[in-house]
Amino acid sequence: DAKTTQPTSMDCAEGRAANLPCNHSTISGNEYVYWYRQIHSQGPQYIIHGLKNNETNEMASLIITEDRKSSTLILPHATLRDTAVYYCIVRVAYRTGNQFYFGTGTSLTVIP
Amino acid sequence: NAGVTQTPKFRVLKTGQSMTLLCAQDMNHEYMYWYRQDPGMGLRLIHYSVGEGTTAKGEVPDGYNVSRLKKQNFLLGLESAAPSQTSVYFCASTSWGTNSPLHFGNGTRLTVT
Repeated sequence: DAKTTQPTSMDCAEGRAANLPCNHSTISGNEYVYWYRQIHSQGPQYIIHGLKNNETNEMASLIITEDRKSSTLILPHATLRDTAVYYCIVRVAYRTGNQFYFGTGTSLTVIP
Repeated sequence: NAGVTQTPKFRVLKTGQSMTLLCAQDMNHEYMYWYRQDPGMGLRLIHYSVGEGTTAKGEVPDGYNVSRLKKQNFLLGLESAAPSQTSVYFCASTSWGTNSPLHFGNGTRLTVT
């Protein structure tokens, strides 16, 4: 069962906002949404996470719908260095511990 | 702090050979994870550990074993490597905090011929 669904690829003009959507329609009430990105084949890099409320940090903003079935990662002013694969992840708490489920990600290309 | 360190970075095995991948973290994290990533796919969880001496299976555990003898180390073993295990392996760790993020290593690229 895919916990998250994301578009395969997106383009964004440099300097514009990049809005990356994610569907997580089966999410439960205590399951967090995390966003990571992966540049080339490096280890994934943490961006932001949230549960119910919208969140903002120095890298991005996270908008979660009221029903929590989807979210959007916003990179406010995309740069060429933001070209990467972006993963939307659901963290599920089991009796045996927390598991983080990755989707297939969105390949974002920032165009000069 | 080095964060999460994986060794080796690259390895080529022949079918049937065995090897161990080492993951070390210096952040005193309780949770540690092993993922594999295949071309065009996201990361899939192999095994994980919630503390020293404990391990649990993830989504794709077959063909792998793990051990967590020390809190800072998490070992992933392949007893008899198969070509299907050709992949990039990532280790990650996080703390007990309810919303703590995962910290990843830079991966081990394994090719089984």
